[in-house]
Amino acid sequence: ETGVTQTPRHLVMGMTNKKSLKCEQHLGHNAMYWYKQSAKKPLELMFVYSLEERVENNSVPSRFSPECPNSSHLFLHLHTLQPEDSALYLCASSQEPLYGDSDTQYFGPGTRLTVL
Amino acid sequence: AQTVTQSQPEMSVQEAETVTLSCTYDTSESDYYLFWYKQPPSRQMILVIRQEAYKQQNATENRFSVNFQKAAKSFSLKISDSQLGDAAMYFCAYRSANFGNEKLTFGTGTRLTIIP
Repeated sequence: ETGVTQTPRHLVMGMTNKKSLKCEQHLGHNAMYWYKQSAKKPLELMFVYSLEERVENNSVPSRFSPECPNSSHLFLHLHTLQPEDSALYLCASSQEPLYGDSDTQYFGPGTRLTVL
Repeated sequence: AQTVTQSQPEMSVQEAETVTLSCTYDTSESDYYLFWYKQPPSRQMILVIRQEAYKQQNATENRFSVNFQKAAKSFSLKISDSQLGDAAMYFCAYRSANFGNEKLTFGTGTRLTIIP
């Protein structure tokens, strides 16, 4: 596998379920991101991990819990979600230097989540 | 806060013709990056082209070029010799060049249809 991969590609869950989304990057990058893409809305940044430490959390509800065990893997743990959380969840990665110019983000194919 | 506006929800172009997608943004920063991403039905967000704000020369990648007007805060994408494979959602995105601010701000997208 190359680039950024995400599993599963599709997920249907009830509001009481607990599930996890997985992202893996094969690019040697040191920063990873979770985005939410809802219909007719701009992509929303949810979480940023740089050097395996969370550096940004855009006031995301606690029913979304990220985990970054190493620089290649990123998880999004889901529990007691609401129907309005149904969306496409995109993972991205980039190589962030300590100083200087930032690099481009490369995206995975996304997980289509439906909450019943 | 930065905002990105794509005023054309949908565009269509005849195959082999040229089309221009519009993007404007609002920022108080002087140094930043601008991107065009393409999202085909496969949902994978693919980088099309990138522009550094400090560069006056417009970026070009094969059939894709931009018209970057910094003073007007405009960043349009021109696709020449349109091909069927260009059909996708196109997103304009902004990113600060400030260290530690990795957030990408996206527009709402333009759906491009290629007419055979």
